[in-house]
Amino acid sequence: RKEVEQDPGPFNVPEGATVAFNCTYSNSASQSFFWYRQDCRKEPKLLMSVYSSGNEDGRFTAQLNRASQYISLLIRDSKLSDSATYLCVVNMGKFSGGYNKLIFGAGTRLAVHP
Amino acid sequence: GAVVSQHPSRVICKSGTSVKIECRSLDFQATTMFWYRQFPKQSLMLMATSNEGSKATYEQGVEKDKFLINHASLTLSTLTVTSAHPEDSSFYICSATGLATDTQYFGPGTRLTVL
Repeated sequence: RKEVEQDPGPFNVPEGATVAFNCTYSNSASQSFFWYRQDCRKEPKLLMSVYSSGNEDGRFTAQLNRASQYISLLIRDSKLSDSATYLCVVNMGKFSGGYNKLIFGAGTRLAVHP
Repeated sequence: GAVVSQHPSRVICKSGTSVKIECRSLDFQATTMFWYRQFPKQSLMLMATSNEGSKATYEQGVEKDKFLINHASLTLSTLTVTSAHPEDSSFYICSATGLATDTQYFGPGTRLTVL
């Protein structure tokens, strides 16, 4: 079983639509959680952290359910510029070298059309 | 702030040659640098982690003699793909963290194509 699993999509949605992405992780000891955005042939960029209480940043809302080991991202009022791949990322915590190890999901592709 | 650069951005080489990729932190001291590899439609996979002045720690399944990592200063790490083969063609991305933060800042990536 993959450590971080995501629906690969693609999700094809019209502008203005609301779209939700899901992610599950296998290690209950995971420390913290993030959503990254990756454009084609570019590096991933941090979109937002994910907290159990749920957090919102403009049109984006992230939610974490530790009991179910489930993370979600909701995008409201989709824009053409939201088209990208969204990566679910889990921080496994400090390793012996003192660094945090990140585990990346394979990503969910979103295509927003006019 | 927290800018990481990579060079080259793209490289095409013949099978059997070696390729060096540089990762630099431009405005902070990178105590730890990470090297990832991403094949098409797959997730970023951590290859190795290096602390300045120490030997790199490689993930399981990554050949340390094939992927040589040097982290000689607090602003530069290099990854050398030795005797490259077509199956090494991939997107190689570095990231770095500093003393003040655990956040990983990613470089723009290097696309390697081995013919």
